[in-house]
Amino acid sequence: AQSVTQLDSQVPVFEEAPVELRCNYSSSVSVYLFWYVQYPNQGLQLLLKYLSGSTLVKGINGFEAEFNKSQTSFHLRKPSVHISDTAEYFCAVSRRTGANNLFFGTGTRLTVIP
Amino acid sequence: DVKVTQSSRYLVKRTGEKVFLECVQDMDHENMFWYRQDPGLGLRLIYFSYDVKMKEKGDIPEGYSVSREKKERFSLILESASTNQTSMYLCASSSEGLGFSGELFFGEGSRLTVL
Repeated sequence: AQSVTQLDSQVPVFEEAPVELRCNYSSSVSVYLFWYVQYPNQGLQLLLKYLSGSTLVKGINGFEAEFNKSQTSFHLRKPSVHISDTAEYFCAVSRRTGANNLFFGTGTRLTVIP
Repeated sequence: DVKVTQSSRYLVKRTGEKVFLECVQDMDHENMFWYRQDPGLGLRLIYFSYDVKMKEKGDIPEGYSVSREKKERFSLILESASTNQTSMYLCASSSEGLGFSGELFFGEGSRLTVL
């Protein structure tokens, strides 16, 4: 079975500061990894995904994430946040084969402070 | 533009009522999903469907059923609503099948309150 742990439930950060949202996963098989973002009163949308190849993945809105197989991590980073980045961020994992579903973490609420 | 539409953004129902949550997608996707979102618990899968009239239980199917009579429409049914089903319900669809590597497209959610 797969599982995802998001270590921080809330992360406050000042505008223009860098941010890292942490995600660790557990799986006995190879996986795909995802970050989704949920803006207030909206559904989730894909931020970025790691399928294969380069371990550094770039997404929308200046976000990037690095896949670290040895540490089973997929942390999300942005060098300089904006007020508009205030949202909830979800890390998710799926098996590479035989999977029909994503397993989501519990989410990290990022609050950007002016 | 890709669209997943949930018919009701906010609903208030009484305990014991039958509740229908409707979801329609316009992307001709094979797979559709119903998730429940609760604070501190993230998203949990209730049911999914990979084809018309096909359904599979997710992680928390108890108290729910689903219907998929047409490819574009996936309904979630609460036969007898209870207060512990007060939650945000999210519908999603995807074009990918087994060996999931695709993107989930979500609706805006239906916030259900059961009194």
